[in-house]
Amino acid sequence: ILNVEQSPQSLHVQEGDSTNFTCSFPSSNFYALHWYRWETAKSPEALFVMTLNGDEKKKGRISATLNTKEGYSYLYIKGSQPEDSATYLCAFNAGNNRKLIWGLGTSLAVNP
Amino acid sequence: DVKVTQSSRYLVKRTGEKVFLECVQDMDHENMFWYRQDPGLGLRLIYFSYDVKMKEKGDIPEGYSVSREKKERFSLILESASTNQTSMYLCASAPGALNEKLFFGSGTQLSVL
Repeated sequence: ILNVEQSPQSLHVQEGDSTNFTCSFPSSNFYALHWYRWETAKSPEALFVMTLNGDEKKKGRISATLNTKEGYSYLYIKGSQPEDSATYLCAFNAGNNRKLIWGLGTSLAVNP
Repeated sequence: DVKVTQSSRYLVKRTGEKVFLECVQDMDHENMFWYRQDPGLGLRLIYFSYDVKMKEKGDIPEGYSVSREKKERFSLILESASTNQTSMYLCASAPGALNEKLFFGSGTQLSVL
C-alpha cells in the first residue's frame, strides 16, 4: 500500500520565523511529487511539481527540495507572514496512472 | 488563468435524494477529477476522467457515478444520497501529462440530512 506522510501535523510560528515541513513518500516507482497550499475557504493551489532527484524549486519566500532515493521532500518558508497560514499538502504520483496519493497535510498558523 | 467552477458552494439534501454536483473547466484540460475531503482522511479520489465519455474509478467510487459528455464538464452523481456522503467535494482538472499540476474548484460542502 502506497502511503504519503506529512509532518508535523500542525505548526504555530511567529511572523518572521522561518519554518519547514516534511513529506515522506515511497522511494520506488517515483514519477512526481506535488505541493499545494490550501487556504481556508479557498481552492487548493499548486505550489510545485517536482520530478527529478535533487530538484530545488522556489516561489517567492517558499522553496522545496526533493530526494527521490530516500523518499522525502522538504518545504521551506522563509520569514513567515500571516498570509502564509494555510494547510500545505503534498501528493505523490507513481507514474503508472493518473492517481495522486495525498498526505494529510501540515496546518500552518502564523501569528502576527 | 485556468478556472474550475463548481456549481454550488453549499448544498443540503435529504437521504435518498439524487444529487448532481457539476464542475466546469475552461482550459481544455483532458483530465478531470472528483475528490472528497473529510477530517483526518485527506483527499480521496472518487472518480476521474481522462477524455470525453471516459471514466475510471478512484479509491472510493461506491455510491457515486460520473458523467463526462463534454470535455469541459464533469458531473458527480449521488444516486441515492446517504448521511455518510456528507463531505466537502472538490473537483480538479489537469492537462494530459502525468506530471502536470492540478487546478481545483472552490469545493462544494454537501450535507445529507
